[in-house]
Amino acid sequence: EEQLVQSGGGVKKPGESLKISCKGSEYSFNTYWIGWVRQMPGKGLEWIGIIYPSDFDTKYSPSFQGQVTISVDKSIRTAYLQWSSLKAADTAMYYCARRQAATAEGFDIWGQGTMVTVSS
Amino acid sequence: DIQMTQSPPTLSASVGDRVTITCRASQSISTWLAWYQQRPGKAPKLLIYKASILQHGVPSRFSGSGSGTEFTLTISSLQPDDFATYYCQQYDTHPYIFGQGTNLEI
Repeated sequence: EEQLVQSGGGVKKPGESLKISCKGSEYSFNTYWIGWVRQMPGKGLEWIGIIYPSDFDTKYSPSFQGQVTISVDKSIRTAYLQWSSLKAADTAMYYCARRQAATAEGFDIWGQGTMVTVSS
Repeated sequence: DIQMTQSPPTLSASVGDRVTITCRASQSISTWLAWYQQRPGKAPKLLIYKASILQHGVPSRFSGSGSGTEFTLTISSLQPDDFATYYCQQYDTHPYIFGQGTNLEI
């Protein structure tokens, strides 16, 4: 079954660093963009950014530029979202999702989500 | 950035009703628009892409239309499973902004 499985997250303190992951399986990982989406408690979906594993092309929403880093390790089919210094405002559910390059489809498969709670 | 305005924020309806949700883009996005359904505690699910193409496995009571800046999602006959939150998303130009969401409630 084609899927994205997320891991990492949990309860962290302000100022700590964190890297959450999104592992793709049973599909051609390098030919799909991986996007990241934030959903704060009780709120809507916010676009963070996207990465193309084949050439590492990465784009950030202006709202998140400089606040997070998106990366990928093709050898283990895993994309990452990381923070160097967490804030309480980073408390949210984070989703990854894939979109096939060079097709018209939207983001067809989503990870199950990773909850990040930042609290002192 | 392209802004997406979705309406209404909340929609009250009953099983069997026909409902329509609207999404407006701040500039033309051709038909690069997707619709997602999100149930509480779950990840979003792709319903429609390229404005009007039904994703595999999605019931035919869902349909999408529009191009340029005006788009609609229609559910022809509401079923109990359809009460959820719906989002539009443009994927013409990065950042791929979502609409604010429509909470479809009984």
